[in-house]
This record gives sequence, C-alpha cells and structure tokens, in this order.
Amino acid sequence: NAGVMQNPRHLVRRRGQEARLRCSPMKGHSHVYWYRQLPEEGLKFMVYLQKENIIDESGMPKERFSAEFPKEGPSILRIQQVVRGDSAAYFCASSPRTGNYGYTFGSGTRLTVV
Amino acid sequence: AQTVTQSQPEMSVQEAETVTLSCTYDTSESDYYLFWYKQPPSRQMILVIRQEAYKQQNATENRFSVNFQKAAKSFSLKISDSQLGDAAMYFCAYRSEGTNAGKSTFGDGTTLTVKP
Repeated sequence: NAGVMQNPRHLVRRRGQEARLRCSPMKGHSHVYWYRQLPEEGLKFMVYLQKENIIDESGMPKERFSAEFPKEGPSILRIQQVVRGDSAAYFCASSPRTGNYGYTFGSGTRLTVV
Repeated sequence: AQTVTQSQPEMSVQEAETVTLSCTYDTSESDYYLFWYKQPPSRQMILVIRQEAYKQQNATENRFSVNFQKAAKSFSLKISDSQLGDAAMYFCAYRSEGTNAGKSTFGDGTTLTVKP
C-alpha cells in the first residue's frame, strides 16, 4: 500500500507562473483534503474533495486557487499567477470516510516562489 | 467555527521521562473526534492517537495516552518513557461529526525536544 503520494516534492516557480500540485490518495480512500503550512506554523485547511465533487472550499482563497479530484487520476491543487506569499508547504491527506478515521498524509510539496 | 489552541509552542523532556502536551478546543457540537499528529523533521505527518468524544475512556496507544476532559474541552497528550525519536512537532486536531464532517481543524503545534 503506497500511501498518499504527492508530487513534486519541491517546486520552484517564478512570480506570475502557475503551480500544479498533485495528490494520489491512499488506495480505498475517497476523501481528499488539502492543507497549507507556513514555516513554523500549523496546518490551515484549504479544501475538501470527494471524487468529482468539492465538498468544502471554505479555506481556499477566492482568486488564483482551484482544486479538483477527477473521476480518474490524482487530485490537483492549482495556483495561478503565483506570488511570494504562496511559498509554503502544501499537504494532501486522505481518509476512507468521515468520522473517527484520522488522516493519512502525503509528504507534502514545498512551493518556493522566486 | 471550531478552534484548537495549543498554548505551549515549545516543550522539552529528558529521555525516559514523561511529558504532557496541552490542547484545548472550542465547539458547540456534542459529537466530534480529536486527534494528535506528529510531524518529525522529515515533515511527514503521522497520526499518533484518536479519541471519540462520546467515549469517556481515555485512548491509549503504547507510550502515548490522552487525558480527555469533555466539559473542560481539554485534550492533552501524555508521552511516557520519552525516546529521542519522539522529538517532533505535535499537532492537536478536531474533526466534526455532523454536517461539517470531513475537514479537521489543527492547532498551531508544540515543538517537543527530547534531551539525551
């Protein structure tokens, strides 16, 4: 069982470029969550998705950020026209369902905007 | 909205000793779940222990145990016989049961140092 796979591990983008972060959930998990972690800070919720549906995007900035979890393939977090403030570690997590199931996390993608 | 507060940004413990990390939360819900996660320097988040709010018995996982005080909205983590490998950042998390089930709210973390 490969766990939650995130790629790339590190991503460098120039200001104004697009960043695409990918997440393949653990086998059998249909719930995917994206979190952002700034240095020395906690995890801030961004978006919760199930296959082909966005369930909760209350933590996602209204502009430049979008997420999807298609029927086939990984979940994608897309950041358009990146700015320096987008530099952070982005973690994806999955769970089989809600309730007392804790998350299984990926290793994160560290985005650096130069 | 639920909030999770970890009032200790940093803690240290001597190897083989016991340490307790604090967590309080604010909610109007009666059914929910609480978790502790560990993030070592590798950055990989690992689930340490979970607690269902409807259970009065405190959860235990080997050297890790919790003190869950529902009325006080407190959920502390006790690490017994601390080991060097316990050094990490520890996050407390809250997850709803009801209509907003799914996402978890995390505290800002406590960095634990284990001294040999």
